[in-house]
Amino acid sequence: EAQVTQNPRYLITVTGKKLTVTCSQNMNHEYMSWYRQDPGLGLRQIYYSMNVEVTDKGDVPEGYKVSRKEKRNFPLILESPSPNQTSLYFCASSLRLSGTEAFFGQGTRLTVV
Amino acid sequence: AQSVAQPEDQVNVAEGNPLTVKCTYSVSGNPYLFWYVQYPNRGLQFLLKYITGDNLVKGSYGFEAEFNKSQTSFHLKKPSALVSDSALYFCAVLPSGGSYIPTFGRGTSLIVHP
Repeated sequence: EAQVTQNPRYLITVTGKKLTVTCSQNMNHEYMSWYRQDPGLGLRQIYYSMNVEVTDKGDVPEGYKVSRKEKRNFPLILESPSPNQTSLYFCASSLRLSGTEAFFGQGTRLTVV
Repeated sequence: AQSVAQPEDQVNVAEGNPLTVKCTYSVSGNPYLFWYVQYPNRGLQFLLKYITGDNLVKGSYGFEAEFNKSQTSFHLKKPSALVSDSALYFCAVLPSGGSYIPTFGRGTSLIVHP
């Protein structure tokens, strides 16, 4: 089954404690991205990757890091989480082909206290 | 820069009635337009897209959308709403010039009353 898998689904952590949210897709997609979803703000892109070892900032990259060492994986790293990073996070992937739709993971609800 | 506006935070409709969820966009050149649906505790799912051709696009679950270039709109429609259609709907736009970075609207919560 074609899917994007995120882990964990729920996470509560404390300020400053480094964490990683994993994302993996099994569709051989070149393009992957991370979004955060906040009430009233919709989806905002954090980082994206066009292919292995190629990443770039989205609209709200501050406080986040990513890496793309393998095509299927695109982890999101919060080196020193803060309460304003409490949000619902989505990973998405798509073919690197103009006009194709994205496939989304089920989301990770992160709470930073 | 591209942008998407969903002017209604919430749309209420009675089951069996037609529904419309509005979307307008701004983009340089020709747009690729998408609708996604998000059910509670789930990720976004693709519903339909407009790339080129017929202005009326049909998608999953009986939804359709009409592309109107002069009004820069891409409204989502369904002739007869179901309670199970209640969800959050997102419109997204991609410029056709090769970008893979979609811009999403803020989302519209559709509530279908029995």
